[in-house]
Amino acid sequence: GAGVSQSPSNKVTEKGKDVELRCDPISGHTALYWYRQRLGQGLEFLIYFQGNSAPDKSGLPSDRFSAERTGESVSTLTIQRTQQEDSAVYLCATGGGARQPQHFGDGTRLSIL
Amino acid sequence: TQLLEQSPQFLSIQEGENLTVYCNSSSVFSSLQWYRQEPGEGPVLLVTVVTGGEVKKLKRLTFQFGDARKDSSLHITAAQPGDTGLYLCAGLKTSGSRLTFGEGTQLTVNP
Repeated sequence: GAGVSQSPSNKVTEKGKDVELRCDPISGHTALYWYRQRLGQGLEFLIYFQGNSAPDKSGLPSDRFSAERTGESVSTLTIQRTQQEDSAVYLCATGGGARQPQHFGDGTRLSIL
Repeated sequence: TQLLEQSPQFLSIQEGENLTVYCNSSSVFSSLQWYRQEPGEGPVLLVTVVTGGEVKKLKRLTFQFGDARKDSSLHITAAQPGDTGLYLCAGLKTSGSRLTFGEGTQLTVNP
């Protein structure tokens, strides 16, 4: 498709399990961002990839969170040993460059039981 | 401490009314963006303002960037139920590559 695609759209898992969220960017978009959005709130920056540069991981809330991206391809966000406070919508956005408008996917709604 | 403060946090109005949403900061931004988000979807970019004092119009929506590039407002004229959604402002610092988002304004327009 033409837009940013995220999968799964919904994920329910038990506390303590690991989860992996996927983001398929718009073709050619070098910038990729992950955000967390708690219910009814704004977006909390997690991590930013720009081409082959070292990612900006300054928003990751703990060492349980990690993300990978190879070049300009798919990105995965992994949360290990999930906790109930990790419940949120995780949004991915991509852009044509570092300061270009961001195009968002519809997010993954993560629920930790 | 929230870098971008949005107000009001919630707004419920009747169809046909006018409204203004504010986005304020003590920091200067090189540009500021407004997004609208509907339930179950990602935010969609409405406008980007880059020049102090700039005013942009998008149909019934008017966006203004403050002269000092620290604040912005979104004014909606004759609101319609289709305007319902979460409105988010996001600023890009002069040096930096990532947006800082406000907490959002949840707008409900009742028919």
